[in-house]
Amino acid sequence: GDSVTQMEGPVTLSEEAFLTINCTYTATGYPSLFWYVQYPGEGLQLLLKATKADDKGSNKGFEATYRKETTSFHLEKGSVQVSDSAVYFCALKFWETSGSRLTFGEGTQLTVNP
Amino acid sequence: EPEVTQTPSHQVTQMGQEVILRCVPISNHLYFYWYRQILGQKVEFLVSFYNNEISEKSEIFDDQFSVERPDGSNFTLKIRSTKLEDSAMYFCASSDFRGTGVRETQYFGPGTRLLVL
Repeated sequence: GDSVTQMEGPVTLSEEAFLTINCTYTATGYPSLFWYVQYPGEGLQLLLKATKADDKGSNKGFEATYRKETTSFHLEKGSVQVSDSAVYFCALKFWETSGSRLTFGEGTQLTVNP
Repeated sequence: EPEVTQTPSHQVTQMGQEVILRCVPISNHLYFYWYRQILGQKVEFLVSFYNNEISEKSEIFDDQFSVERPDGSNFTLKIRSTKLEDSAMYFCASSDFRGTGVRETQYFGPGTRLLVL
């Protein structure tokens, strides 16, 4: 079945460090790909998305590129801030086969220290 | 900005009791979802709901679970007889479009943490 795998966590960085959170997927077809973020005490918020190969999603300094050849959607940010501390979830979604469900990865806890 | 709300934020119940988790989706949205996250595990899809019917459900969503839209604003998840393994964070979500394109985003509520003793 369809699945999403994220890098092992948690991740701890110093402020202004470069962030990469790896995400790969297994799917029969070409899903849309998402990154959601969950700040402490809050729900899941969409961070960015890409709906087809080579699309780049970006928001709040975060970027991820849909790589069909490597079935990946790695999240990057050039300079993290303390306020970026949260749990980050990679997810995929089909509309023509799986309907509307989102399939999530395990989540990666990011802690940014001052 | 409109948001999905959920009540209660925390619920503790005894095994075998019924619980109802409540959600108020974003007002012009047509599609509604429940997901859950057992502590330390992935967020898992439970059910989607459209036009007063279940559109899709996962293997987790067995006869102990039911969903309802009792009025024009609420969307509820009922667990008929709770088990210890139902302890999890339950997220409600809504969207106004089902498919690809900019309107396919699912907006999530803050969750209800359910603890079954």
